[in-house]
Amino acid sequence: DAGITQSPRHKVTETGTPVTLRCHQTENHRYMYWYRQDPGHGLRLIHYSYGVKDTDKGEVSDGYSVSRSKTEDFLLTLESATSSQTSVYFCAAKRSQTNYGYTFGSGTRLTVV
Amino acid sequence: GNSVTQMEGPVTLSEEAFLTINCTYTATGYPSLFWYVQYPGEGLQLLLKATKADDKGSNKGFEATYRKETTSFHLEKGSVQVSDSAVYFCALSDGQGGSEKLVFGKGTKLTVNP
Repeated sequence: DAGITQSPRHKVTETGTPVTLRCHQTENHRYMYWYRQDPGHGLRLIHYSYGVKDTDKGEVSDGYSVSRSKTEDFLLTLESATSSQTSVYFCAAKRSQTNYGYTFGSGTRLTVV
Repeated sequence: GNSVTQMEGPVTLSEEAFLTINCTYTATGYPSLFWYVQYPGEGLQLLLKATKADDKGSNKGFEATYRKETTSFHLEKGSVQVSDSAVYFCALSDGQGGSEKLVFGKGTKLTVNP
């Protein structure tokens, strides 16, 4: 969806280095989410945000932090990347709690070597 | 907690065959149910949804009925096409109040051969 842009699209990084992934939306969505997709696991929620500076943990939050200083940007940071964090990361967003549709970004493929 | 179980596949069909992908869920309360589709190299797109029991969601020839008595939301299509080849995810809404989170099944890869 053109309304959500993830950057970078691909990244290779070394174990132990910090990495930040960016999700940018232009639709004024209130709620934003970070998921990771791994074979055999489907999509699992890492962190989510229900407004500027309001964030909470998902089911696989260990090793990740997030920040949302303005409505349009939701950043996911791996403080010290590990090989187990090699994955495809998807950002999603939706406008309000009454809008059941989520819009997904195209994903970031992260490889930790 | 809430969870979704779907047949894992992979599923391989010939063009014009009938498709069923099973999905069952465990949830407290009354979740909304969704099917998402992911084409190769892309993000997820909402395929259809149902928000209450007995609702039927439909789109692009796909349909699924929210069955509360069997806690199921099976995806069906009467005649698949090569262009339907993708990964399909069943999901339910999880959470109340301010933030509604989606809980996904593991996905079913569908390949349709000409």
